[in-house]
Amino acid sequence: QVQLQESGPGLVKPSQTLSLTCTVSGGSISSGGHYWSWVRQHPGKGLEWIGYIYYSGSTYYNPSLKSRLTISVDTSKNQLSLKLTSVTAADTAVYYCARVGLTGTFDYWGQGTLVTVSS
Amino acid sequence: QPVLTQPPSSSASPGESARLTCTLPSDINVGNYNIYWYQQKPGSPPRYLLYYYSDSYKGQGSGVPSRFSGSKDASANTGILLISGLQSEDEADYYCVIWPSNAHVVFGGGTKLTVL
Repeated sequence: QVQLQESGPGLVKPSQTLSLTCTVSGGSISSGGHYWSWVRQHPGKGLEWIGYIYYSGSTYYNPSLKSRLTISVDTSKNQLSLKLTSVTAADTAVYYCARVGLTGTFDYWGQGTLVTVSS
Repeated sequence: QPVLTQPPSSSASPGESARLTCTLPSDINVGNYNIYWYQQKPGSPPRYLLYYYSDSYKGQGSGVPSRFSGSKDASANTGILLISGLQSEDEADYYCVIWPSNAHVVFGGGTKLTVL
């Protein structure tokens, strides 16, 4: 059973960089056959796709976040990471990591981590 | 990024059917896309339910009951999630998703389903 667990600071100051890690267990990121994605949810709002990465390093980003966003993988640690620069209160959200099958299904999700941007 | 339109709310009584819609913009033909559906309950991550392209090409998430099914209304350029035999546990938010041809992902705004 694949499991994903997000981790990182729950509070980030405005203008700083939001950094999160997603640790994958029960499956290998480098085995191929899946993309690894980040999705966020603003408080009380809907889901917003952030971006995804293949184990080879190929990335696809939401155009609205692309200029501030980096998603990477560390296959040795079986982790993916997210870095979002120059954050504002509008980046306050629950951040989820998820596995994406090649059929396009987000089939496994982490429990999510709330990140609050505030001074 | 295209916008997928979902009604903010819907309601139905136990045992009835709920028909949730996801309308694509006019410049995107629903017939050309898989429509994915996710269920989210408060405090939990989304759960993959199913995807629907056609009656011959569709998929059901692991453990998802067959009373959840997908379809399309081409005339309305809309994807549809049908939940039959509604149960109280089906009360949740439901999101549709498409993957436009540019390899990006678009989530609909979600529909809050209330089981009366």
